[in-house]
This record gives sequence, C-alpha cells and structure tokens, in this order.
Amino acid sequence: AQSVTQLDSQVPVFEEAPVELRCNYSSSVSVYLFWYVQYPNQGLQLLLKYLSGSTLVKGINGFEAEFNKSQTSFHLRKPSVHISDTAEYFCAVRDNQAGTALIFGKGTTLSVSS
Amino acid sequence: GAVVSQHPSWVICKSGTSVKIECRSLDFQATTMFWYRQFPKQSLMLMATSNEGSKATYEQGVEKDKFLINHASLTLSTLTVTSAHPEDSSFYICSARFAGPTDTQYFGPGTRLTVL
Repeated sequence: AQSVTQLDSQVPVFEEAPVELRCNYSSSVSVYLFWYVQYPNQGLQLLLKYLSGSTLVKGINGFEAEFNKSQTSFHLRKPSVHISDTAEYFCAVRDNQAGTALIFGKGTTLSVSS
Repeated sequence: GAVVSQHPSWVICKSGTSVKIECRSLDFQATTMFWYRQFPKQSLMLMATSNEGSKATYEQGVEKDKFLINHASLTLSTLTVTSAHPEDSSFYICSARFAGPTDTQYFGPGTRLTVL
C-alpha cells in the first residue's frame, strides 16, 4: 500500500525567507504526486502535481517541487514566502492506475512571521 | 477547473441521530467519488471509494453500517452517518474523479460535523 511521509510537522520561517517542505513516498511502482494547501476551516487547494515528464514542477503562488525517483521524494519549495502562505500543506500520492484514491501525508504546518 | 460541492457545509446534531452529507460534481460526471475524514490538525484519511451504481469499497477499520455511502448518479454521492456519536465529530471531505487525460481528483470544500 502507498504511504507518504512528511518529515516536518511544523516549519516556522520569517517572511521573505526560502522554505522547503519535505515529502517522501513509499512505492516501487509508477506514481503521481501532489501537493495541496489547506487554509483554516477551508477545503483543499491543489498547488501542483507531477504526472510525468520534467521532474521540476511549477505550481501556483510561486511554489515548485522536484520529483526524485531514486530518493522517492517530492519536496516542495518556495524561494521567498509571504505571511499569506501560512497554512497546512499536504503531500499526496496515488498509483498511476485509473480510479485509485489519493493517499495523504500527515501534513506540515507552515507558519510565516514578520 | 472542475467544481465539487458539498452540503451542508456544517451541521450540529444530537447524539443518536443520523446525518446525511451530499457531494455533487457540478460540471462533470464522476464515475468514482471518494470520502475522506479529517480530525483537527490531522491528515485526510480515506474512508471509502464509491463507484456509481455499485456498492462502496470501505477502507480497513471503517464501519460500513455506520457510514452509509450511496452513489446514485454520476453527479451525486451521499454519506450518511448513522446513529452519530461525539467521536464521529470531524471534517468530512468528498472528492470526485474526473476521468480525463490526467485522471484528476477534485475536492469539495468539506462538511464539519459536530455531534453533541
């Protein structure tokens, strides 16, 4: 079964600093990888996804992630964060077989302060 | 992007009552819908996968008699929490699968259930 490990439960950073949120997955088969953001009391918003092709994926709000198959990682990065980036971030994985569900990591709370 | 709605967005009920949550795909047909549960400050846990016209497939540990799922049409799935208890209080999120080239899951905004 698929599993996702988000190595940091909380990441505090100062505004305009760079940030990396780490994600590792366990699978020996081809997978699709996703990052979602959840603001307080709201649903999930897709930040970016990797399906195939270039291993560097650019998403919304200035975020990007790099798929590393050998390390089974899909870390999320942003070169300069804003206060408004404060939220919960979830990494998710699913098999590339049609119809399978997303499996989520436990989430990382990003807290940006001034 | 595709839109998935949930109704109600929040509900408070008394212990022992049943609550129905609706999930609709507004602009596409969803042959598969997924139900997730999220406890405060925790991740989304997959509860079940529902395919239109067939019985839902529940994840291990999820009581199928307590969480009744009906996927009656290609745009509607319902989750009924039967005889709800305070420990069922949670954020329930549905997701609908758009079977296009990228086979994308779109998420609803969630329903917050509080059982008194």
